[in-house]
Amino acid sequence: EVQLVESGGGLVQPGRSLRLSCTASGFTFSSYAMSWFRQAPGKGLEWVGFIRSKAYGGTTEYAASVKDRFTISRDDSQSIAYLQMNSLKTDDTAVYYCSRARSGYCTGGVCSYYFDYWGQGTLVTVSS
Amino acid sequence: DIVMTQSPDSLAVSLGERATINCKSSQSVLYSSNNKNYLAWYQQKPGQPPKLLIYWASTRESGVPDRFSGSGSGTDFTLTISSLQAEDVAIYYCQQYYSTPRFTFGPGTKVDIK
Repeated sequence: EVQLVESGGGLVQPGRSLRLSCTASGFTFSSYAMSWFRQAPGKGLEWVGFIRSKAYGGTTEYAASVKDRFTISRDDSQSIAYLQMNSLKTDDTAVYYCSRARSGYCTGGVCSYYFDYWGQGTLVTVSS
Repeated sequence: DIVMTQSPDSLAVSLGERATINCKSSQSVLYSSNNKNYLAWYQQKPGQPPKLLIYWASTRESGVPDRFSGSGSGTDFTLTISSLQAEDVAIYYCQQYYSTPRFTFGPGTKVDIK
């Protein structure tokens, strides 16, 4: 059974840092791209960032709203994806979800992805 | 970025009746080389994470009841629940993955029981 468990959320002051973890089980983690999303209280879903599998370079992409502040990494030996969040703002308050990316169609080494499994999420509250 | 819109914002449907949700993208999400629409639908129940229902605009995810169906092409898409059940009360989101990795979601449509 595929499971994704986020951890590391909590209350943090503006300008501080926090690192979230997403621990995966039930599938070959190294074979999949992983993504982070967030959902502010009472709001919709927002894509945060994405890390490809090592087979596709292990490269990362970020939403403009978090670029240069957030960093995604992965440890395939432990089946964990991380979201390092620096210079946090009150607008970053949200439930953060990690998700497994299923590759839809690949051509020329570039793949499209949609998201078939999601963790339960971890709440990050940025407040003084 | 591709902007996704949904209509209506919310709807209330009687048990056993049909629910229809519309999704529109600001540009086509149909990839001509494989003739696939890069559009997914998710269901989110209160206090739960999103659940994948439909991908490629009309392919039902394994385990999803067949009362859920997706249709449409290009910029206009529809999610239909053919016979609403109590457990279908949720918010439904469309999402494009044409511009991977710049994934964008619609604002969501809330479905309730009338």
